[in-house]
Amino acid sequence: GEDVEQSLFLSVREGDSSVINCTYTDSSSTYLYWYKQEPGAGLQLLTYIFSNMDMKQDQRLTVLLNKKDKHLSLRIADTQTGDSAIYFCAERGASGSARQLTFGSGTQLTVLP
Amino acid sequence: DVKVTQSSRYLVKRTGEKVFLECVQDMDHENMFWYRQDPGLGLRLIYFSYDVKMKEKGDIPEGYSVSREKKERFSLILESASTNQTSMYLCASMRAYEQYFGPGTRLTVT
Repeated sequence: GEDVEQSLFLSVREGDSSVINCTYTDSSSTYLYWYKQEPGAGLQLLTYIFSNMDMKQDQRLTVLLNKKDKHLSLRIADTQTGDSAIYFCAERGASGSARQLTFGSGTQLTVLP
Repeated sequence: DVKVTQSSRYLVKRTGEKVFLECVQDMDHENMFWYRQDPGLGLRLIYFSYDVKMKEKGDIPEGYSVSREKKERFSLILESASTNQTSMYLCASMRAYEQYFGPGTRLTVT
């Protein structure tokens, strides 16, 4: 099946930028997503990008997509302690059931004061 | 705002018990999903439903069943709970290409 890979941990200092990376294998991906999960909570949709886009910016969040390398990143500018959470990358393919998302294992972001 | 609710935040059950996890969404979404979340494994799809009474198996359906009698409600059933089903269970509903999640149910089977 299709696969989505993320590193498990990232630590940054408050005020710095964070970059969370993700790679995927499905060349037919149509949408790629970033979700945030705070402790004890469900997943919150942060942003998503359509596969024919290279970049999407939304306030402090910038998503970059390199479709050739199947690489997605999420940059958080001016990272705050409230950004500490698990961040999940997910992709939606065009093959199989297009309703399904495939998730990575999540990156635990720790923001140090 | 989309609202997805799950019947319990925490649940403790004994091995062999029948367990029902309920999920309700208030946005008339056709597609609903059940995932389990385990550390280091991310989210794995158990079952999903694209309409009332319709269901499809996800990646890990063994040991689970589902019920969708009404559009707003999607239930996950563990016919005979086992300790390896101890996990966080997340429900989601989908509009177009956006999935919205409930707060999760942390199930412990002893």
